[in-house]
Order: sequence, then structure tokens, then C-alpha cells
Amino acid sequence: AQKVTQAQTEISVVEKEDVTLDCVYETRDTTYYLFWYKQPPSGELVFLIRRNSFDEQNEISGRYSWNFQKSTSSFNFTITASQVVDSAVYFCALDGSGNTGKLIFGQGTTLQVKP
Amino acid sequence: DAGVIQSPRHEVTEMGQEVTLRCKPISGHDYLFWYRQTMMRGLELLIYFNNNVPIDDSGMPEDRFSAKMPNASFSTLKIQPSEPRDSAVYFCASSGQLNTEAFFGQGTRLTVV
Repeated sequence: AQKVTQAQTEISVVEKEDVTLDCVYETRDTTYYLFWYKQPPSGELVFLIRRNSFDEQNEISGRYSWNFQKSTSSFNFTITASQVVDSAVYFCALDGSGNTGKLIFGQGTTLQVKP
Repeated sequence: DAGVIQSPRHEVTEMGQEVTLRCKPISGHDYLFWYRQTMMRGLELLIYFNNNVPIDDSGMPEDRFSAKMPNASFSTLKIQPSEPRDSAVYFCASSGQLNTEAFFGQGTRLTVV
């Protein structure tokens, strides 16, 4: 079965703090893809990153970084020096159904960054 | 490109009425997805198309739901008859290839009273 678990329902931090959003996935596929999306208060879903199962290199993009560890089936997302504009719901997603493009989303983590 | 365009943004309808949600994918994208977002079930895929052909509709909850893609630039999701439990935000997304990022529209917030 394919499953994505985001155990943190809500996180609240003060601006400039670092924060890590956890994502644990389950799949029997050897080839799969992992994604992070951001859903700001306006409601749209914004793509952040895509990672395939053969690429375990960590990725950094500005204040954002991602840690992919196949050994623990985790794909965690860290925001460094958080800002109020980072306040949103963040979704981790898995595409593992034989590469169909069918995304399995986690329940999302609501991040609130306070000034 | 203007991105994925959905209409209407908000829809309020009475139980039993037919509802049609519309989507214009990004030009050149071969894949189109319909997702539904609710508090209880989160984001779930309803159906997706490749080159206008439905590939996987296993997520469509009931026969009351149907989706079409008559051409590469237009898709509809229809609910007939609508029920209060259909109230949700419906997202359309498109992608150029499988496993690449899907670009989402702004969603249609449906309320069935």
C-alpha cells in the first residue's frame, strides 16, 4: 500500500527560527517520486520540489532544504530562518503507483510563523 | 502561460442539483488531474487523463461523478445529483510528463446545501 504520513499536524514558530517538517512514506515500488507542495492561505497548491528514489542527495534552495533518507523512508523539509510569509500548509506527496502520476498526499502540516 | 485555470472559483448549490466544474490546463501539458480536498480525507485524486483519455478513475467516489476531456484544452467534472457531502475544494492540475511536477489551479470551492 502507498501511504504518506505527516505526523505534525500544526507547528508554530517565531520568525527567524528554523523548522523541520517531517514526512514518512510507505511504498513497495523501487522507483518512486516524492514531492513537497505549499498551500498558502489563498488556497492554491504551489510546487516546491520533486525527488526520485534513486537520488538521495540532499537539496538546498535558498532557505529551503530537503533531507531524503531511503533507510528510514523519510523526506523531511527544513526552513531556515523562517519568515511570516512561510505560514502555510505543507504537503508531502508520493507517486509510486507504477509511475502513473497519481499523487498520494499526506495530511499536511500547518506551519504558523509568528512575527 | 496563465497557468491552470478553473471556474468557477466558488459554487453554492442546492442538494440534488447538477454541478459542473471546469478546467483549462496549461497549454502543451498531456496530463490532467482532478483532486478533491476535504478536512476529513485530505487531498485525494479522483481521476486523471493522458492525451484526453481517462486513464485512472478509481478515485471517483460514485456514479454521480463524471469527468470528460473533449479536447486538450478543456475538462469538466460533473456531479449529478449533488449531495452535501460533496462539499469540498476541487483542484485541477496538469503536467507535461508523468512524474514531473503537477501545476495546480486555484481550485473550486463547492458548497452543497
